[in-house]
Amino acid sequence: GQQVMQIPQYQHVQEGEDFTTYCNSSTTLSNIQWYKQRPGGHPVFLIQLVKSGEVKKQKRLTFQFGEAKKNSSLHITATQTTDVGTYFCAGPLSNDYKLSFGAGTTVTVRA
Amino acid sequence: GAGVSQSPSNKVTEKGKDVELRCDPISGHTALYWYRQSLGQGLEFLIYFQGNSAPDKSGLPSDRFSAERTGGSVSTLTIQRTQQEDSAVYLCASSVRRQHNEQFFGPGTRLTVL
Repeated sequence: GQQVMQIPQYQHVQEGEDFTTYCNSSTTLSNIQWYKQRPGGHPVFLIQLVKSGEVKKQKRLTFQFGEAKKNSSLHITATQTTDVGTYFCAGPLSNDYKLSFGAGTTVTVRA
Repeated sequence: GAGVSQSPSNKVTEKGKDVELRCDPISGHTALYWYRQSLGQGLEFLIYFQGNSAPDKSGLPSDRFSAERTGGSVSTLTIQRTQQEDSAVYLCASSVRRQHNEQFFGPGTRLTVL
C-alpha cells in the first residue's frame, strides 16, 4: 500500500549549521504536509504544499515539493535550539483524505 | 475558537481494567482521527471518522480497541482489558474534509498501564 517514508530518522546538528530532511512517497500525492512536534508536545501543522515543484519558506525553513509530487524536503538553515523536535511529513492516501504520516525525523541541536 | 481537547490528560490504570479516552474536536470539523504514539516513536494510525460514513478501523491493533463518535462531534476511544503494551500517548486530531486537510491535534492522553 501507499507509504510515506522519511529520512534520516535522527539528525544531530551543530547550532548554526544547516540540514535537510527528506520525505518520499511510493505514489503521487495531491499534497504534502509538514508537522513539528516539540519534546513532550503534540504535532503542530507547519505548512502544506500542493503544486508540483512548489517551494515555500518560513523564516529559516524551506519546504519543497518535488516535480513528480512524490517527494518533499525540509531544509533548515542556521539551526537554533528552538528547532529541536520531530518533524513529520504526511500525505493523503489515494481516494481518501486520510493522511499517511512518515516516521519522522528527530532533530537534536548541539550548542 | 477552542482547539481540540482531550481528557483525561493522564491516565494510570491497572492491567486488565477498561479505559475510556475522550476527544472533543474543533467545531465544524467533520473528520476525526485517533493515533497512538509510543515513547520516541512516530504516529500510529488507529481509526478515522468522516462525517456519517462508516469509520475506517483498519489501524486498531486488536478487538480490545473500539471507538465511537456521537453526533458527529465528540469521540471516545475505549480500550478493554488493558495490557502493559497499551501504554502510550493517544492523540486525537480533527480536520475539515477538503483537499487541503491539515490536521489539528489535541494535547493527547498519556496512558500508563501498570
